[in-house]
Amino acid sequence: EVQLLESGGGSVHPGGSLRLSCAASGFSFSSYAMTWVRQAPGKGLEWVSSLTSSGDYTDFADSVKGRFSISRDNSLNTLYLYMNTLRAEDTAIYYCARNYAGNRQACFDIWGQGTMVTVSS
Amino acid sequence: ETVLTQSPATLSLSPGEGVTLSCRASQSVGRYLAWYQHKPGQAPRLLIYESYNRATGIPARFSGSGSGTDFTLTISSLQPEDFAVYYCQQRNSWPLTFGGGTKVEIK
Repeated sequence: EVQLLESGGGSVHPGGSLRLSCAASGFSFSSYAMTWVRQAPGKGLEWVSSLTSSGDYTDFADSVKGRFSISRDNSLNTLYLYMNTLRAEDTAIYYCARNYAGNRQACFDIWGQGTMVTVSS
Repeated sequence: ETVLTQSPATLSLSPGEGVTLSCRASQSVGRYLAWYQHKPGQAPRLLIYESYNRATGIPARFSGSGSGTDFTLTISSLQPEDFAVYYCQQRNSWPLTFGGGTKVEIK
């Protein structure tokens, strides 16, 4: 079964850091670009960051540029999101998603269940 | 940034009814538009990609159309499991963007 499972969410103070992980299974992880999408409480979906299959190219939303980084370990079939200098407005469910057909600029055909990040003092 | 505007924000309908949702882009996205269904506590589900192609396993009652700046998602006959929030998303240009969503609720 094709599956994505996020972990690493939790509560953190403003200015803090957190690392999210996304474990992939059931498909050839190293062949697909991957993405993080978030949903703030009561809001819609927001694209956060994408990473090519090799990890050579990354893209970020302006709202997180310079504070978040993305990486992957294809030997572990795992995607990461490193979140630094967290703000209250980063509070959201963070979803890991597979880029359709492996494309860098894509829609997303497989999603995880999400992990909640709460930034509060 | 390409802004996607979905309308209406909420629809109240009964099972069996048909519905058409709208997504308008602030600039042309060609046919690079997708639709998702999202239920509370669940992962979003890809319904339609490249404007009109149904994703794997999506029932034929879901159909998409449009190009350029105007797109629609049609559900021919609402089933109980179709009540959810629907989002459009463009992949034509960075940053990738989503519409604000349309909630389809039971009347």
